Amino acid sequence: GENVEQHPSTLSVQEGDSAVIKCTYSDSASNYFPWYKQELGKRPQLIIDIRSNVGEKKDQRIAVTLNKTAKHFSLHITETQPEDSAVYFCAASNPQGAQKLVFGQGTRLTINP
Amino acid sequence: NAGVMQNPRHLVRRRGQEARLRCSPMKGHSHVYWYRQLPEEGLKFMVYLQKENIIDESGMPKERFSAEFPKEGPSILRIQQVVRGDSAAYFCASSPWVSGANVLTFGAGSRLTVL
Repeated sequence: GENVEQHPSTLSVQEGDSAVIKCTYSDSASNYFPWYKQELGKRPQLIIDIRSNVGEKKDQRIAVTLNKTAKHFSLHITETQPEDSAVYFCAASNPQGAQKLVFGQGTRLTINP
Repeated sequence: NAGVMQNPRHLVRRRGQEARLRCSPMKGHSHVYWYRQLPEEGLKFMVYLQKENIIDESGMPKERFSAEFPKEGPSILRIQQVVRGDSAAYFCASSPWVSGANVLTFGAGSRLTVL
């Protein structure tokens, strides 16, 4: 089955700097890659997603890149703000079978003022 | 649209008791997923259901855990004879059918504490 690895597990950046979180996946048939943000005690919320027919997608300060050949994808947050502090999860989904999302282990991002 | 509704939000059980967690999907969503999150850990897939069908239960422990999504009413995750290791947040997510990828919307979670 699919296996998703996420790095780093913790990341601390200065406010205004950029943050990058990386994920690799194992199943070459996976074609959907969302990113979720989870604040303390809250539900995971979708912030951006990308499908395998696209190499990059951007939404304001957030961007995701996908390298299908290398089977890795990354989340980029520019001009970080204190409210970006949260745990971020990447995930991958295979269109065949159950289409369930398999999540990475999460990255705790801290934005220092 | 009320979103994905889970209840109870918090549940305390003593060892050996039963826990029942409920999930009502978003309106128009026919797919329900259950995930477990241990403190300071990620989201682990448990089970995927459609109405009256279990599609994938590969993440469910073999004993004590069961799930259903009846024709009428919410999806229910049932844990029998709870143990301390069952203490976790249980998140339900729902999705519509989208060919090629299912976009999941999560509920607020049910936090189970086993004393």
